[in-house]
Amino acid sequence: EPEVTQTPSHQVTQMGQEVILRCVPISNHLYFYWYRQILGQKVEFLVSFYNNEISEKSEIFDDQFSVERPDGSNFTLKIRSTKLEDSAMYFCASSPVENFHNEQFFGPGTRLTVL
Amino acid sequence: AQRVTQPEKLLSVFKGAPVELKCNYSYSGSPELFWYVQYSRQRLQLLLRHISRESIKGFTADLNKGETSFHLKKPFAQEEDSAMYYCALRIGSFGNEKLTFGTGTRLTIIP
Repeated sequence: EPEVTQTPSHQVTQMGQEVILRCVPISNHLYFYWYRQILGQKVEFLVSFYNNEISEKSEIFDDQFSVERPDGSNFTLKIRSTKLEDSAMYFCASSPVENFHNEQFFGPGTRLTVL
Repeated sequence: AQRVTQPEKLLSVFKGAPVELKCNYSYSGSPELFWYVQYSRQRLQLLLRHISRESIKGFTADLNKGETSFHLKKPFAQEEDSAMYYCALRIGSFGNEKLTFGTGTRLTIIP
């Protein structure tokens, strides 16, 4: 069964450094998402992406964040200058565009630790 | 703004006993409600949604609009039910809008 994959599984970086988190959505899916979960807190929506543009973003998704679909398979989240508070689990998800009740399929997550 | 509340962070239940995980939401319109489950070292996966009204792994959940609740229930808990459970809400009609999650309930089944 096809799955969303994410790399790396764990990323450690210094404050102020740029990080790129990578996701490979399920191949026939057209809607892509990033969520994050700070330790002990809820899973929070960051951004959704469709047809090569952002369709919705949360207030967390400020100018330090960007998303890109550089080729036909990858979907990336870039944090330009990481802060301590960016330490979290980042989940990618994808869904097909078939009907009104699409399921979002989640990747295993990337744990980002900012030191 | 919409919100999902799961009042219990931790819930321990003996094997064979009934389970109820509570979920309340706040949204003035008609949302779609979901339960996601995360087993140890695995990814978030959809358990069930109110639209389908089906039972998955013995779990059911009924949307109660009057009480704005979507509690997850199972009559007889099994050890493999131990996991993190998240209630989530989606609004909008296109079907690909964001999910708003609760804080989750860690369910532990005591053998």
